[in-house]
Amino acid sequence: AQSVSQHNHHVILSEAASLELGCNYSYGGTVNLFWYVQYPGQHLQLLLKYFSGDPLVKGIKGFEAEFIKSKFSFNLRKPSVQWSDTAEYFCAVRTSGSARQLTFGSGTQLTVLP
Amino acid sequence: DAGVTQSPTHLIKTRGQQVTLRCSPKSGHDTVSWYQQALGQGPQFIFQYYEEEERQRGNFPDRFSGHQFPNYSSELNVNALLLGDSALYLCASSPDRVFTDTQYFGPGTRLTVL
Repeated sequence: AQSVSQHNHHVILSEAASLELGCNYSYGGTVNLFWYVQYPGQHLQLLLKYFSGDPLVKGIKGFEAEFIKSKFSFNLRKPSVQWSDTAEYFCAVRTSGSARQLTFGSGTQLTVLP
Repeated sequence: DAGVTQSPTHLIKTRGQQVTLRCSPKSGHDTVSWYQQALGQGPQFIFQYYEEEERQRGNFPDRFSGHQFPNYSSELNVNALLLGDSALYLCASSPDRVFTDTQYFGPGTRLTVL
């Protein structure tokens, strides 16, 4: 069965710092990859997604992610974080073997200090 | 355009009881998926409904069952509640496009089992 690892459980940054959150998955076949964000008191929202094509994907609010197939990774990046980026971030994968379900990582809590 | 809605927002039950949670999908979506999110964890896939039938199921016992209605809304039923069933239950909707759809999440129902 596929699995998703997010190694950083809690990241604390100052405003304007650069962000990179790691995401690795275990599945050798075709995948769709997603990053969702959960702001305090709000529901899960889609940040960005990769289905095929250009492995560098741009999402909302200045976030981007790069799919590196050889490393089974889909890391999330942002060059300069803001206090409003404080939230929990979830990486998710959908595989060709289980095409109806998303498998989520355990999440990374990002705290941005003003 | 209304997004995914869920009711109730909070629910408290005791062990052994039964509970029903409800979900209305986003307009234009005909597929509903249910996820369980325990505290400090990522969402886990329970099952997906399409055309009023369960199409795919995750690793959850038969105590978890569901239903989809002709208007695409859905219910999640959990029988013989255990303390470990305490979690946030998320509903996600999507259009029926295999491996190219995006799931949109509702705000969730917080279930507490005492």
